[in-house]
Amino acid sequence: ETGVTQTPRHLVMGMTNKKSLKCEQHLGHNAMYWYKQSAKKPLELMFVYNFKEQTENNSVPSRFSPECPNSSHLFLHLHTLQPEDSALYLCASSQDLESGWTEAFFGQGTRLTVV
Amino acid sequence: GQNIDQPTEMTATEGAIVQINCTYQTSGFNGLFWYQQHAGEAPTFLSYNVLDGLEEKGRFSSFLSRSKGYSYLLLKELQMKDSASYLCAVGFNDYKLSFGAGTTVTVRA
Repeated sequence: ETGVTQTPRHLVMGMTNKKSLKCEQHLGHNAMYWYKQSAKKPLELMFVYNFKEQTENNSVPSRFSPECPNSSHLFLHLHTLQPEDSALYLCASSQDLESGWTEAFFGQGTRLTVV
Repeated sequence: GQNIDQPTEMTATEGAIVQINCTYQTSGFNGLFWYQQHAGEAPTFLSYNVLDGLEEKGRFSSFLSRSKGYSYLLLKELQMKDSASYLCAVGFNDYKLSFGAGTTVTVRA
């Protein structure tokens, strides 16, 4: 248990579906991240939020839409995905982007399969 | 991302020592992390190096040479539970982490 909880753990969706991934952290952190982890590839940073403001959109297609209503919650809304979007989606949090380097805590991820 | 290179796989025997190397581009370097990730689980923090030298934490040690753009993670007295993927992550001036692809370590009896 790392203090970062992601739901659902597994998700299978069709290419025309709309679904959302949820991330919640109880660590009092102010920076939250979405990463994509594909087999045998480095973790790819997708989005960064710092104090609820989006600071990074790492050239992510618009079919992925993040939302950060408060510092404890982060969502990733999905629509009209492609099979190549199948991957493990990891949420992480850290103190904030101004405090210098502190470790990031990861959730267990959502295993997404697009069919 | 940021040319972070580490070997794909390593195999070692229980009780042995394994060293996982990581190289990275040095421009804008601001710190290096090692994470452990068991299959189907979250990456968990192992170590952080920002200055040259060796940081020791029990059976795990991490070394950094900033001038060479080089780090290694040393796992001693290997146990079966150490079978996992080990991720090298480098922080640059923008305070975001870039990850290597990970090294899968398999410990055999």
